[in-house]
Amino acid sequence: AQSVTQLDSQVPVFEEAPVELRCNYSSSVSVYLFWYVQYPNQGLQLLLKYLSGSTLVKGINGFEAEFNKSQTSFHLRKPSVHISDTAEYFCAVTGLGGGYNKLIFGAGTRLAVHP
Amino acid sequence: DGGITQSPKYLFRKEGQNVTLSCEQNLNHDAMYWYRQDPGQGLRLIYYSQIVNDFQKGDIAEGYSVSREKKESFPLTVTSAQKNPTAFYLCASVAPGTGANVLTFGAGSRLTVL
Repeated sequence: AQSVTQLDSQVPVFEEAPVELRCNYSSSVSVYLFWYVQYPNQGLQLLLKYLSGSTLVKGINGFEAEFNKSQTSFHLRKPSVHISDTAEYFCAVTGLGGGYNKLIFGAGTRLAVHP
Repeated sequence: DGGITQSPKYLFRKEGQNVTLSCEQNLNHDAMYWYRQDPGQGLRLIYYSQIVNDFQKGDIAEGYSVSREKKESFPLTVTSAQKNPTAFYLCASVAPGTGANVLTFGAGSRLTVL
């Protein structure tokens, strides 16, 4: 079974500052990893995903994440945030293997960008 | 444009009443899912269906029911047996053959029990 821990429930940051949202996972098998973003009263939108290959993954809206297998982490970063990045961010993991593999979500990190 | 349509967006219900949330997709996706979202708890899987006329319980299926009579539709009924139904409900689907569970979500339905 897999699990996901998002280490910060809320992250306040000033506009144009860099930000890192932390995500750690546990799994006994190889995994796929995802970051989703949710704006208020909306569904989730895929930001980026790691399936295989390069451990540095670039996504939409200038976000990127790095898969670190030894530290079982998949932290999300952006070098300069905008007010419009204010949203809730979810890290998710699914295991590889035969049969149906459920997507497990973290509890979410609320990013608040202040002017 | 293709996507997932959930309705209604907001719904109020009295205790003891059943309510059905609609989820329709025109993406030609085989697999569909229902999640429940509560503040600070992330998303929890209620039911999923990988093919028409078949569905499986997720982690919190008690008090809920679903049907999958058409590929495009996956309605969720919140029954009176659900003890704490006030939540934000999200429907999602996965394209066939992706092998990576990349979910496309609807905009959600917010249910409030009065």
